Amino acid sequence: KNQVEQSPQSLIILEGKNCTLQCNYTVSPFSNLRWYKQDTGRGPVSLTIMTFSENTKSNGRYTATLDADTKQSSLHITASQLSDSASYICVVTTDSWGKLQFGAGTQVVVTP
Amino acid sequence: DAMVIQNPRYQVTQFGKPVTLSCSQTLNHNVMYWYQQKSSQAPKLLFHYYDKDFNNEADTPDNFQSRRPNTSFCFLDIRSPGLGDAAMYLCATSSFGRESSYNEQFFGPGTRLTVL
Repeated sequence: KNQVEQSPQSLIILEGKNCTLQCNYTVSPFSNLRWYKQDTGRGPVSLTIMTFSENTKSNGRYTATLDADTKQSSLHITASQLSDSASYICVVTTDSWGKLQFGAGTQVVVTP
Repeated sequence: DAMVIQNPRYQVTQFGKPVTLSCSQTLNHNVMYWYQQKSSQAPKLLFHYYDKDFNNEADTPDNFQSRRPNTSFCFLDIRSPGLGDAAMYLCATSSFGRESSYNEQFFGPGTRLTVL
């Protein structure tokens, strides 16, 4: 069973609207949680990274939250743009050397 | 700009014909990783190098090998590619134990492998 679950699997939103992606994890011990954006045919690019003591972190129009008690994270995209169309992957690090546990990703499509 | 570079971006090989994918980095990171990513799936770690120490994942097939001749370069060798090995191969680096406590991984753009 995957230790990092993301929802929804995919979503379609209108340009300019907001959306929120969810990530639940059971990985333990927990080191940090990252959100990556992966454009089709490209490598993942880091958006945010948070340790257990951080509740929220922003990167432009992207805001990630983390609740280490409930083991939940969310990624909020504000005022979506066409360039936001991509797969958003939640990744949890458990090992000290940095082994990553990947979620399956949420495919976001922004339409005009 | 410091970055992770993968060559080639697209590779076509024949069934059973050995192929080598390359990765280089200008970040001076001590850890380098190889991932396999199939369509609509999460990346799957194949192995990683911590400096010169090679660490293989338990479920990585013997068909996949790796070499790291120096800090900057790392190669993925597929000895006898099968149709099931067609995928995107991602290289990543991190600086474990150094200035960053996050051990953030930086990914290259990937090499898309097609097996005919």
